[in-house]
Amino acid sequence: NAGVTQTPKFQVLKTGQSMTLQCAQDMNHEYMSWYRQDPGMGLRLIHYSVGAGITDQGEVPNGYNVSRSTTEDFPLRLLSAAPSQTSVYFCASSPGTAQETQYFGPGTRLLVL
Amino acid sequence: GNSVTQMEGPVTLSEEAFLTINCTYTATGYPSLFWYVQYPGEGLQLLLKATKADDKGSNKGFEATYRKETTSFHLEKGSVQVSDSAVYFCALSDNSGAGSYQLTFGKGTKLSVIP
Repeated sequence: NAGVTQTPKFQVLKTGQSMTLQCAQDMNHEYMSWYRQDPGMGLRLIHYSVGAGITDQGEVPNGYNVSRSTTEDFPLRLLSAAPSQTSVYFCASSPGTAQETQYFGPGTRLLVL
Repeated sequence: GNSVTQMEGPVTLSEEAFLTINCTYTATGYPSLFWYVQYPGEGLQLLLKATKADDKGSNKGFEATYRKETTSFHLEKGSVQVSDSAVYFCALSDNSGAGSYQLTFGKGTKLSVIP
């Protein structure tokens, strides 16, 4: 099992560009989520999904879109990148709710100039 | 809303020293509590958890006890090793409605263990 995979590992964008961060898991987990990690801020939840076709907003959803067409994939879209979105992004999955063990991907480091 | 407060780092210890990282929380209802660890260049992984008051989570020599009366979940290890150098995050998930799908994290504490 590969677990949770994320691509790319590192990306540089210019302000206003769009891009999609990819996340995939091969554990047949229903729950998937996206967090951003900023220095001195811990991790903050962006969006989450409790199954294919079902998504909801987390603490900091503005500027990000998600969709969940399959159990395995949960891409995060930046519609118009801003310097404030410079961060490290982590995808996570678990069999059920957040009370169960979350399995995190290795992260995507994003720099917006 | 929910919040987690953990001691500011960085923390530097000598090998075999005793470790305590303090964590306190504010939550509605009866949350589940977690410690996650992030080794350099990697994603987070669960270290231990406790789901109800007075539960003790333990793993790899680390322990934490869920104290409802003091709303705390302090992480301890009796003898740290260089391989324990990492960032440690305290987190909670409340067990009510939408809160059960969200983890609230503390800011993280960076631990460096020197030989």
